[in-house]
Amino acid sequence: DQQVKQNSPSLSVQEGRISILNCDYTNSMFDYFLWYKKYPAEGPTFLISISSIKDKNEDGRFTVFLNKSAKHLSLHIVPSQPGDSAVYFCAARNTGTASKLTFGTGTRLQVTL
Amino acid sequence: DAGVIQSPRHEVTEMGQEVTLRCKPISGHDYLFWYRQTMMRGLELLIYFNNNVPIDDSGMPEDRFSAKMPNASFSTLKIQPSEPRDSAVYFCASSRGQFEAFFGQGTRLTVV
Repeated sequence: DQQVKQNSPSLSVQEGRISILNCDYTNSMFDYFLWYKKYPAEGPTFLISISSIKDKNEDGRFTVFLNKSAKHLSLHIVPSQPGDSAVYFCAARNTGTASKLTFGTGTRLQVTL
Repeated sequence: DAGVIQSPRHEVTEMGQEVTLRCKPISGHDYLFWYRQTMMRGLELLIYFNNNVPIDDSGMPEDRFSAKMPNASFSTLKIQPSEPRDSAVYFCASSRGQFEAFFGQGTRLTVV
């Protein structure tokens, strides 16, 4: 049972445009959400996070939006750059399970010139 | 800091053989996680430790899988006997409390 879902396995965006990666979750106990980026042959690296008490968190070109009623979050990258090409994983956690993260299956983003 | 260190980076073994994956977490981190990445299921949590004690092993697929953390700086994930369906990339990650987890570079396991 996939509690965190990334329904788009891949996304292609032109350089300079906005990339929007989506994530849905089913467990209403999740209260903290993270995005990780993964390059080939490397481990995932933390990108940005958001607590359930917020609906937006911004860090430079990266913004995460959370819609708790829809159990949906999204990662916006603007402007997109070729170096952003990677697999992006959405992850969620609930306070009751400490640092245990549940990940989605990932979305491969390709930023084209 | 060198980050989370995993070894080996690649492992090819024959079905039925024992496989041991190793992990050195970041110094000072009190949580350690073992994940498996597959195309179908993404990153699955297998087991995690807090202060060297296993907390949740519900993700360990079968009794063929076992994990230990004898001290704060070392953990192993063992598969015995290995099967072709165990082929995947295995990641170790560590964190300090509720902060984000840092991942190692992974071990790509191929069981033939």
